[in-house]
Amino acid sequence: QVQLVQSGSELKKPGASVKVSCKASGYSFTNYGMNWVRQAPGQGLEWMGWINTDTGNPTYAQGFTGRFVFSLDTSVSTAYLQISSLKAEDTATYYCARDVVTIIPGYWGQGTLVTVSS
Amino acid sequence: SSELTQDPAVSVALGHTVRITCQGDTFRSYYATWYHQKPGQAPVLVLYGKNIRPSGIPDRFSGSSSGNTASLTITGAQAEDEGDYYCNGRDSSGNHLVFGGGTKLTVL
Repeated sequence: QVQLVQSGSELKKPGASVKVSCKASGYSFTNYGMNWVRQAPGQGLEWMGWINTDTGNPTYAQGFTGRFVFSLDTSVSTAYLQISSLKAEDTATYYCARDVVTIIPGYWGQGTLVTVSS
Repeated sequence: SSELTQDPAVSVALGHTVRITCQGDTFRSYYATWYHQKPGQAPVLVLYGKNIRPSGIPDRFSGSSSGNTASLTITGAQAEDEGDYYCNGRDSSGNHLVFGGGTKLTVL
C-alpha cells in the first residue's frame, strides 16, 4: 500500500534552515508527482507546489519562491522540502502528498511540524 | 491565481443531507477536488475528477458543479463526517492549485 513517512518535528531559530523528508513506499516513486502543502496553526491548507519525480522539475506556487526548494533522491524514494532563512511565520505543519493523477494530491504524509522561535 | 470561497461553517443533523459549496471561476473549466480533515490528522482525499471516490470513501459522498460553484453532498451524514472540508482546484494558468478556506462541518 502507498505510504509516505515524513521526518519528525523540528524546532529552529529564525534565520536557520530546515530540511523535511518524505519517504515513499508501496509504488514506483518516479511514476507520480509529489506535492507540498503548508498548514499554519489553526489555519487552512496552502498548496506550496509540486515536483515532477520523473524529471526533477519543480513548480512553486506564488509566495513559495526563493526560500523554498523541492528536491528528490530517487535512489531512496524520498522527496525533500528545504526552507532557508526561516521566519516565525514559517511555523506550520508541512505535508507531502502524492498525486493520484497529475497535481491532484491523493496520498498524504503524516505531516511535519516546523516551529520557528527564538 | 484564483480564489476559492467556502462557507466557514455548516451543521447537519445526524442522518440528514448536507451540501458544502465552493465558489471559483476555475470550476467553469476544471473539476473540484475535495478533502476531509479531522483535528490533528492529515487531510484525506474524498472526491476528485468527475465524481470519483477513492477506495474506502463511502458512496454517501458525491459531487456536482453548476457554473462557478462546485458542491460536495453528504447524503445521510454520520458522526465520523465531522471535521474540516477543503475544496481544491486549478488556478487560471491550469498549472497551479489553490485551496478554499475550508468549511467546518458539525454533525448534530
